[in-house]
Amino acid sequence: ETGVTQSPTHLIKTRGQQVTLRCSSQSGHNTVSWYQQALGQGPQFIFQYYREEENGRGNFPPRFSGLQFPNYSSELNVNALELDDSALYLCASSISGVTYGYTFGSGTRLTVV
Amino acid sequence: QQQVKQSPQSLIVQKGGISIINCAYENTAFDYFPWYQQFPGKGPALLIAIRPDVSEKKEGRFTISFNKSAKQFSLHIMDSQPGDSATYFCAARMDSSYKLIFGSGTRLLVRP
Repeated sequence: ETGVTQSPTHLIKTRGQQVTLRCSSQSGHNTVSWYQQALGQGPQFIFQYYREEENGRGNFPPRFSGLQFPNYSSELNVNALELDDSALYLCASSISGVTYGYTFGSGTRLTVV
Repeated sequence: QQQVKQSPQSLIVQKGGISIINCAYENTAFDYFPWYQQFPGKGPALLIAIRPDVSEKKEGRFTISFNKSAKQFSLHIMDSQPGDSATYFCAARMDSSYKLIFGSGTRLLVRP
């Protein structure tokens, strides 16, 4: 059984550019959530996908968008990057309806310059 | 009302000592309270969790104490070890939503 894998591990982008981050869910997990963790802070919920549809969103602008694929892998897309988007982006997978099921990946460290 | 407040921001403990981290919340709709451990360069890993109908839960050296009336919960690490040095996050979740609300984290250093 594999855990949650994210790619790339590190990324440097220029302000105004667009970025796509990828996540492969843990085997058997059908729900994926994305979190943003700024340096020295706790993770903040961006959104969640279940059955390829967004079913929950945090306080993030529409330039943050996502996709979930039939194999439950997922992408996070961020358009028009801003300096404040620099953070660790975490993907977490779980089984819908199971409380005790969040598994986090190691994250993608995004730096916007 | 959606916040979870965590203290202290950082903590230094001698090997063998007890580490205590506290969290407080306002929203009584929260019904699941996990603690996560995060090492540098890694994602958070679930350590232990509790529901509000239980006042204490123990797993090995880790214990959660929960005070529903005070809306507070804490993590106790007994016999702290240098390998416990990490950042610890408390979190809370409403059953109607799968999102976790995290505290701001406590950086624990256990000195040998």
